[in-house]
Amino acid sequence: KQEVTQIPAALSVPEGENLVLNCSFTDSAIYNLQWFRQDPGKGLTSLLLIQSSQREQTSGRLNASLDKSSGRSTLYIAASQPGDSATYLCAVGLWAGNMLTFGGGTRLMVKP
Amino acid sequence: NAGVTQTPKFQVLKTGQSMTLQCAQDMNHEYMSWYRQDPGMGLRLIHYSVGAGITDQGEVPNGYNVSRSTTEDFPLRLLSAAPSQTSVYFCASSYSGRGNTGELFFGEGSRLTVL
Repeated sequence: KQEVTQIPAALSVPEGENLVLNCSFTDSAIYNLQWFRQDPGKGLTSLLLIQSSQREQTSGRLNASLDKSSGRSTLYIAASQPGDSATYLCAVGLWAGNMLTFGGGTRLMVKP
Repeated sequence: NAGVTQTPKFQVLKTGQSMTLQCAQDMNHEYMSWYRQDPGMGLRLIHYSVGAGITDQGEVPNGYNVSRSTTEDFPLRLLSAAPSQTSVYFCASSYSGRGNTGELFFGEGSRLTVL
């Protein structure tokens, strides 16, 4: 059974810092890995999706990497801003459908 | 575009009552699914569907029933609500055609409390 772990569970940083969120998974036979953002009381917003054949994806200040062999992904946020405060969820997909296994999330607070 | 629409957004039930959470998408996605999110935890898959008339169980299906009569709609039924079903429920959909990346689109969630 696939298990996904996110470390740390919570993180508080001053504005402007570069930071790394970690995600690990136990079964390397994945179809893709997705990073989501969730604001309190809201749904999930897709940030980045990495296909199993890819090593990384970038969007603005966000960069996500994937190392399937070691079962790890990192989400790098450059020059953090208070608006980045949210919970970040990592999820791995076994196939092209909807069967995602989620990690428990990292709750990020960026202080002004 | 409406995307994925869930109703109701909030619901309070008494133990033993039944209800249906509605989910509709207007993106012509074949794949739809339901997840639940409990405090401090990630989302867990309840049921999923790969197309009209086809459904299957996910990780935590007990106490829930689904059907898929149309591409657009994927309702989740609670047969006899229990306090353990207090949670936030998310519906998601994704494209299934050529070049499918597996990207999921989520609704805003339905917050259910069972007393």
